[in-house]
Amino acid sequence: EPEVTQTPSHQVTQMGQEVILRCVPISNHLYFYWYRQILGQKVEFLVSFYNNEISEKSEIFDDQFSVERPDGSNFTLKIRSTKLEDSAMYFCASPRGNEQFFGPGTRLTVL
Amino acid sequence: KNQVEQSPQSLIILEGKNCTLQCNYTVSPFSNLRWYKQDTGRGPVSLTIMTFSENTKSNGRYTATLDADTKQSSLHITASQLSDSASYICVVTRSSGYSTLTFGKGTMLLVSP
Repeated sequence: EPEVTQTPSHQVTQMGQEVILRCVPISNHLYFYWYRQILGQKVEFLVSFYNNEISEKSEIFDDQFSVERPDGSNFTLKIRSTKLEDSAMYFCASPRGNEQFFGPGTRLTVL
Repeated sequence: KNQVEQSPQSLIILEGKNCTLQCNYTVSPFSNLRWYKQDTGRGPVSLTIMTFSENTKSNGRYTATLDADTKQSSLHITASQLSDSASYICVVTRSSGYSTLTFGKGTMLLVSP
């Protein structure tokens, strides 16, 4: 199965701080997604990113969030001024055909 | 509103037994329906994916069914194993191509020895 990797696996931060979550999708893919899952709740779509541009975003993805492709293989999700309610698992996903392959996730804890 | 509802919310079965998980959706227009398995603290892993024209799809001990008319799907697990303990998530894609996914809340399955 194609591998999507994410770093870090865990991130603890203080409220108000900025965090950057990183994802390496399936190689040479231009399309990827970010999702989040608050503990005990369902997975929620945040944003899709295609060829260096945001393709679609949800209501959750407000000005606090941004996505970038700093180099050819890495994608990042930046959360500015984190809030307690940002504590969640954050997954990136990379499609191939009809399938979406999820990374292992980054567990973000905001204190 | 595009929604995916799953039942039961949780389920406990004995090892070796079979079980069936249900999914109802109101997502439209429909492109495909997926079942994912999510172990605690891990990312979802795809089990099956079915398009409008497919009624049944199997993947080992997992068999998914789809009734596009009633907008219902089921996931049947045969001869359950302890490693089947996980959350099983029904996910519906709204339109063709690389469109966003609508997730159900999942059914938490616990297989007991």
